[in-house]
Amino acid sequence: EAGVTQSPTHLIKTRGQQATLRCSPISGHTSVYWYQQALGLGLQFLLWYDEGEERNRGNFPPRFSGRQFPNYSSELNVNALELEDSALYLCASSLAGPSGNTIYFGEGSWLTVV
Amino acid sequence: AQKVTQAQTEISVVEKEDVTLDCVYETRDTTYYLFWYKQPPSGELVFLIRRNSFDEQNEISGRYSWNFQKSTSSFNFTITASQVVDSAVYFCALSEQNTGTASKLTFGTGTRLQVTL
Repeated sequence: EAGVTQSPTHLIKTRGQQATLRCSPISGHTSVYWYQQALGLGLQFLLWYDEGEERNRGNFPPRFSGRQFPNYSSELNVNALELEDSALYLCASSLAGPSGNTIYFGEGSWLTVV
Repeated sequence: AQKVTQAQTEISVVEKEDVTLDCVYETRDTTYYLFWYKQPPSGELVFLIRRNSFDEQNEISGRYSWNFQKSTSSFNFTITASQVVDSAVYFCALSEQNTGTASKLTFGTGTRLQVTL
């Protein structure tokens, strides 16, 4: 069974541009999460989607946004890119409702902003 | 507020040594969940174990074992007879039952384990 898959693996963008990252959850999982892992800042919660709705977001500015599609896949959009957005973006999924459910992660998308 | 502390930033051992990675957590919830993940250089976070707050039984899985002690708010991870393939960054994480915060895992800062021959 396929795990969480993310694309692209690597992405290089210029400051001010927009980046779009994509994620497909494990089959049967309806919750999708996004985390940012920036150098020196650890793993930070970004967004949680479940059944197509944004359920919770971390302490990130509005230029970080996303959506979840009817097939439960998800996109993360980062607008007006800044140098400090350079990071590994990890997508994860779980069964409905995260409380107590194991969250499984993908391999991540490396975003470099130059 | 929930918090996870991994005081060991980096540990270096020689193959076949035993090593323990420490994790201390803070939460106000009575129901919560603790996790360990492994992150090899490829970047993917690999799930290792989940433990709920009502289950204080220690667990052993092959060379891995976990010691959960609510009295000291600790959830330590021991690798017995370490191998080079165990080299990675290990993260301890916490999620709470509370709906508002249950959607996120709070991670520790990670412990980088280097196993050499």
